Amino acid sequence: EPEVTQTPSHQVTQMGQEVILRCVPISNHLYFYWYRQILGQKVEFLVSFYNNEISEKSEIFDDQFSVERPDGSNFTLKIRSTKLEDSAMYFCASSAREYTGELFFGEGSRLTVL
Amino acid sequence: GESVGLHLPTLSVQEGDNSIINCAYSNSASDYFIWYKQESGKGPQFIIDIRSNMDKRQGQRVTVLLNKTVKHLSLQIAATQPGDSAVYFCAERRNNAGNMLTFGGGTRLMVKP
Repeated sequence: EPEVTQTPSHQVTQMGQEVILRCVPISNHLYFYWYRQILGQKVEFLVSFYNNEISEKSEIFDDQFSVERPDGSNFTLKIRSTKLEDSAMYFCASSAREYTGELFFGEGSRLTVL
Repeated sequence: GESVGLHLPTLSVQEGDNSIINCAYSNSASDYFIWYKQESGKGPQFIIDIRSNMDKRQGQRVTVLLNKTVKHLSLQIAATQPGDSAVYFCAERRNNAGNMLTFGGGTRLMVKP
């Protein structure tokens, strides 16, 4: 069964460092997303992406965040200068359709900022 | 309401019984609702969705009920199995929010053999 894969599974970084989280969405999906979940809290929307452009972004997704589809398979989330409060599980998701809740999530990348 | 911190409401059921997981939403302009299941160490997994022009939708062993009058959503799982043990989240799309989903705080379902 096709699945969304994410790397790394866990990254530890120092405050102020840049981090890139990588995702390989399901191959025939066109819509891509990043969500995050701070430990013990709700899953929060960060950004949606389609046709090489950001479709929507939340207030969390400030200038420190960026997304990119550098090739035909990868979808990345970059945090330029990490803060302690960026520590969270970051989930990538993809969908075949727009405006759907049928998202396929990866297993997440846990980011720990020290 | 908001759910912050490590505490999750927990529902404990006997294997074979039916489970009902509830969710209250606050935005009357929400037009689309989804239930997700999250097993330990995994990402959320889509279970079932319902649009605001419906009040009930059935899937395989699951039923979602929507009561817009009281802004309440429920997920019913028939003949609960040990593999159903997970955290269950409801999510809503607030009107005109496009692809942005707002998740609720989650309920932990524990199935006793």
